[in-house]
Amino acid sequence: QVQLVQSGAEVKKPGASVKVSCKASGYTFTNYYMHWVRQAPGQGLEWMGIIYPGGGSSSYTQNFQGRVTVTRDTSTSTVHMELNRLRSEDTAVYYCACALAYPGPFDIWGQGTMVTVSS
Amino acid sequence: DIQMTQSPSSLSASVGDRVTITCRASQGISSYLNWYQHKPGKAPKLLIYAASSLQSGVPSRFSGSGSGTDFTLTISSLQPEDFATYYCQQIYSTPITFGQGTRLEIK
Repeated sequence: QVQLVQSGAEVKKPGASVKVSCKASGYTFTNYYMHWVRQAPGQGLEWMGIIYPGGGSSSYTQNFQGRVTVTRDTSTSTVHMELNRLRSEDTAVYYCACALAYPGPFDIWGQGTMVTVSS
Repeated sequence: DIQMTQSPSSLSASVGDRVTITCRASQGISSYLNWYQHKPGKAPKLLIYAASSLQSGVPSRFSGSGSGTDFTLTISSLQPEDFATYYCQQIYSTPITFGQGTRLEIK
């Protein structure tokens, strides 16, 4: 079945970088758009950006411009999200989610990856 | 950016109740509106897409309506497994934005 499996929890110090992976299976990887969404403790859902694995093009929300990079590896059907210059406010659960179309609803979500930023 | 405002922010209800959650967009978004259910420790789940289309596998007690700026999610008869947080989402333009969430609690 279609599923997204994310990498495990991370603990990082302020100023460091984190890379979260999302491995897709059960569908043609290059046909679905992949989004990244995060949820800080006690907060709502925040969209970070999108990549189209077919061509590799990506787009990010202004809030993360210059700090986030999303890439894909078609050989392993994996999307990576790297967030740099971490600060305590980046402590959150990070989700990948795929959509068949753009614009389109987020049909399938990964299980989430907890990233904790603490000195 | 398009702001999405949900009401109420929290709601207490009983099993069997009919519940309605509203979502208002700061500008017209046609029908580019989706609803998700989110339970603690789980991934969000798509319930309704394009304002009123029921996602495959989602019980028919869930329904959505609206277009333009005003939307509603209705649960016709609450079941124990429905107690969760619900989010609306606009995909009309980037950045994609979510409402702040409506926490549905057991009365």
